[in-house]
Amino acid sequence: DADVTQTPRNRITKTGKRIMLECSQTKGHDRMYWYRQDPGLGLRLIYYSFDVKDINKGEISDGYSVSRQAQAKFSLSLESAIPNQTALYFCATSDFGNEQYFGPGTRLTVT
Amino acid sequence: KNEVEQSPQNLTAQEGEFITINCSYSVGISALHWLQQHPGGGIVSLFMLSSGKKKHGRLIATINIQEKHSSLHITASHPRDSAVYICAVRGTGNQFYFGTGTSLTVIP
Repeated sequence: DADVTQTPRNRITKTGKRIMLECSQTKGHDRMYWYRQDPGLGLRLIYYSFDVKDINKGEISDGYSVSRQAQAKFSLSLESAIPNQTALYFCATSDFGNEQYFGPGTRLTVT
Repeated sequence: KNEVEQSPQNLTAQEGEFITINCSYSVGISALHWLQQHPGGGIVSLFMLSSGKKKHGRLIATINIQEKHSSLHITASHPRDSAVYICAVRGTGNQFYFGTGTSLTVIP
């Protein structure tokens, strides 16, 4: 089984809808991250969490919210989706000071 | 302004060629990562380094902290090496910065 899983893998939704992307990990890592990737741009950090009680905004947090339900679970929500949130979303985990492990990605299309 | 710059953006090579991808960064770092992203989209960490050189199979990564530069080398390239290679740095404040990636195509 994969160490970092994301659901759903693909999602098409309409403008204005609320959508949640979920991430689970079995690595036992404290640190979890949400990134988005757009063509021609590098990965950009949306939110990160260093433990269950710690949530931090990243570079592009506007329009997004997160919930760290447990050490193993970190969810990303789009309260009211808009077309420019169409992107590939990645969840990642890490231990302090170590490499990041990425999930398989969620391809989100907002029409 | 990008904190991490990679070159080239695109690279096509013949099978067997020696390949070099470069990464320059402008922030203080605690570590540099090389990542590989396959056409299906999944991202895999290849190396994490903070000094010197690391080797894994046909892949070699080097870093020069003073010059704020890293290189990823692939020896005896193979079509299965075709992917996007991403340089990322972890800043001293634990923030991650990513390059836009180098798209490598190895032709048989």
